[in-house]
Amino acid sequence: DAKTTQPPSMDCAEGRAANLPCNHSTISGNEYVYWYRQIHSQGPQYIIHGLKNNETNEMASLIITEDRKSSTLILPHATLRDTAVYYCIVRVADGAQKLVFGQGTRLTINP
Amino acid sequence: GAVVSQHPSRVICKSGTSVKIECRSLDFQATTMFWYRQFPKQSLMLMATSNEGSKATYEQGVEKDKFLINHASLTLSTLTVTSAHPEDSSFYICSARSGSHNEQFFGPGTRLTVL
Repeated sequence: DAKTTQPPSMDCAEGRAANLPCNHSTISGNEYVYWYRQIHSQGPQYIIHGLKNNETNEMASLIITEDRKSSTLILPHATLRDTAVYYCIVRVADGAQKLVFGQGTRLTINP
Repeated sequence: GAVVSQHPSRVICKSGTSVKIECRSLDFQATTMFWYRQFPKQSLMLMATSNEGSKATYEQGVEKDKFLINHASLTLSTLTVTSAHPEDSSFYICSARSGSHNEQFFGPGTRLTVL
């Protein structure tokens, strides 16, 4: 079973920041937080991952609380192409370990 | 990021036939590949994990004799759905991981429709 909980859906206006929350209260010390997204009828796309420090890349920022029990993915300037299902996954940093997908958050960017 | 391809992108077949789906890592060697299945409006469900040159490890409830997985080279894994039935219609997605990456890179998926 997935070890994360996310809201089933969210809406955001185009050009605004989209903040997607994720709860992972049972995360272990050696588990990372990974974010993927899946645009309709495509394979998932890796976005970002982190352990305890905040992370930023060209796609998004990841804010992890100090107790690591929750995190927020931030898309700073959402566009219509960011409409997708966003999955938050916790996993040890070994690519050979399987990813367990929960239901994710369906983010809709509105014009 | 690394590129993973799947072929075919969509396939329609008659009930009782077998269908082979290919997953290729185009610019890296994939020591581990994963196969997922996704039904409409549902999340991805892992079917099996395969390591190059060894037998695949199947998730609970997945029939290994029905879903044959071959990972004969570091750039190719195949999933064969044997004696397909309408309930096997789904979106099949593979992912691949190289020895030097901790991320998994996903293919674009294959939509299987069994009539």
